[in-house]
Amino acid sequence: DTGVSQNPRHKITKRGQNVTFRCDPISEHNRLYWYRQTLGQGPEFLTYFQNEAQLEKSRLLSDRFSAERPKGSFSTLEIQRTEQGDSAMYLCASSLVVLPTDEQFFGPGTRLTVL
Amino acid sequence: TQLLEQSPQFLSIQEGENLTVYCNSSSVFSSLQWYRQEPGEGPVLLVTVVTGGEVKKLKRLTFQFGDARKDSSLHITAAQPGDTGLYLCAGGTSNTGKLIFGQGTTLQVKP
Repeated sequence: DTGVSQNPRHKITKRGQNVTFRCDPISEHNRLYWYRQTLGQGPEFLTYFQNEAQLEKSRLLSDRFSAERPKGSFSTLEIQRTEQGDSAMYLCASSLVVLPTDEQFFGPGTRLTVL
Repeated sequence: TQLLEQSPQFLSIQEGENLTVYCNSSSVFSSLQWYRQEPGEGPVLLVTVVTGGEVKKLKRLTFQFGDARKDSSLHITAAQPGDTGLYLCAGGTSNTGKLIFGQGTTLQVKP
């Protein structure tokens, strides 16, 4: 399968714990994005990378959230001191930018539940 | 702040009926993408439109981008139960990588 993969698919944690999610993009794609989706809503942008560089971060990304893409391939999203409000689906997407379009292909997501 | 508003939010129809989903904004987008999402899965890209007035067809689905590139529509002809899902529109601008998503339209097609 050559699509975007995410691990784990589901994560249940207790409030205050740290969690880390991994995203493996489509291999030739240079951009990688993180979004968050809550029930009944469309995805909300969190951050994105072009190769190793983190180019934009949303105001939604508090200082408890950090994302890395160390070698321009896979990415990790860490949430420290989780809160119940962090419960959501975390989606990763990748793209090979050909302006003016930036077609983003999504992974299956990681469902986080904070108890 | 760029916003995309989708309507209707919920749609329940019988198999064989036609339907249209609308995606509207006061902002101009360089591209508009439509996705379909199943419960517990990530969105799957259906189509991208980039030119004002552009129309694209994907089997029974017809997508249109408004002349001013501020709005779009998705029309489904003779809906089938397999069309059931959450339909999302998302706008992109050339100066940033992020997509702005609408809140989605949940479509249920009953046999």
